[in-house]
Amino acid sequence: DVKVTQSSRYLVKRTGEKVFLECVQDMDHENMFWYRQDPGLGLRLIYFSYDVKMKEKGDIPEGYSVSREKKERFSLILESASTNQTSMYLCASSGTVNQPQHFGDGTRLSIL
Amino acid sequence: QKEVEQNSGPLSVPEGAIASLNCTYSDRGSQSFFWYRQYSGKSPELIMSIYSNGDKEDGRFTAQLNKASQYVSLLIRDSQPSDSATYLCAVNINDYKLSFGAGTTVTVRA
Repeated sequence: DVKVTQSSRYLVKRTGEKVFLECVQDMDHENMFWYRQDPGLGLRLIYFSYDVKMKEKGDIPEGYSVSREKKERFSLILESASTNQTSMYLCASSGTVNQPQHFGDGTRLSIL
Repeated sequence: QKEVEQNSGPLSVPEGAIASLNCTYSDRGSQSFFWYRQYSGKSPELIMSIYSNGDKEDGRFTAQLNKASQYVSLLIRDSQPSDSATYLCAVNINDYKLSFGAGTTVTVRA
């Protein structure tokens, strides 16, 4: 079974802080994704990566950056956290073309 | 036009009935179609993948795909209270990315 592990289930940070969300997958998947999910807005893609050190913006990249130094690890960075970034953050990975994405358990992030 | 649209729900069905979920998509080039189940407060869980026209059955779940009509559906037979969740339809929009529908919330009444 695919295992996608997110470092924290719940996280509370203050506005202006730099926040790191970590994600690790154990299936040697090429593709990794970061989404946020908010009530009424569904899943929205923030960034994705199709190879080590490669990244592409998703639909809502503003205020975020990512890092993929190793194939199994994909980090999401909130450069200066703001209250409107309070959300559920979901990491996913997928293998070759047209394969499904598998999600981690999610991180519920609160910015105070 | 949204890339993936689902019947908005919520859908309430009695225990033992069939729940029918529908999804339409806009990109005729899409090749891969997935159904995810998401319990409240949890992450999406893959329950079905379908790539070819026709029906695909897995236990109590049946996915149906009609590429000519750009339509994919999910049937849940003998619905159980544990099937109460939000169901997300996802369609590939290129080699890497999926487009997700907004989800349909299903409640199974005991």
